[in-house]
Amino acid sequence: GQNIDQPTEMTATEGAIVQINCTYQTSGFNGLFWYQQHAGEAPTFLSYNVLDGLEEKGRFSSFLSRSKGYSYLLLKELQMKDSASYLCAVLDSNYQLIWGAGTKLIIKP
Amino acid sequence: GAVVSQHPSRVICKSGTSVKIECRSLDFQATTMFWYRQFPKKSLMLMATSNEGSKATYEQGVEKDKFLINHASLTLSTLTVTSAHPEDSSFYICSASSLDGGSEPQHFGDGTRLSIL
Repeated sequence: GQNIDQPTEMTATEGAIVQINCTYQTSGFNGLFWYQQHAGEAPTFLSYNVLDGLEEKGRFSSFLSRSKGYSYLLLKELQMKDSASYLCAVLDSNYQLIWGAGTKLIIKP
Repeated sequence: GAVVSQHPSRVICKSGTSVKIECRSLDFQATTMFWYRQFPKKSLMLMATSNEGSKATYEQGVEKDKFLINHASLTLSTLTVTSAHPEDSSFYICSASSLDGGSEPQHFGDGTRLSIL
């Protein structure tokens, strides 16, 4: 079966750095995506990785290792508004998005 | 960027009422639209995938007669929750895929919060 694992919840301090990990086992791979979802809102797109390596976009970076079936989202200079759920999703061989359960990130002052 | 409009944003109605939710792609043509459901503190659950001009493909466990999907054009898909009951109360989100693909596979609407009394 297809499976995406990420931690249920993480806590970090304002101004600090946090890394959210995601491991996946899917039928085929056509890219990995990270989305941010605030409570009661729809997901918003953060990043896309299809090749191995690090993609940086401002305070957020995403890393992918296809051989390990592993990705992480790195958030720097954390702000209170970064408190949200972060969803990892993989596009499988049928170009269907397989979603992880999400990681709830709690930012403390 | 691509914009998807979902309407209404919130619905509160009595049990037994049918509710229609619209999903429109405003500045691109969506070959495929997706309907998701999300319960509190849970991940997105794909309900069905719809392609313009053809019948929707429903995920296992989703009742076709309960959740009617119509994808009449490349810019509009509708989800109708028929004879809604309190257990249908949830957050429903649509998304759309554009013809040119790109690095963002799905563009999401803002969601509809459905509350059945």
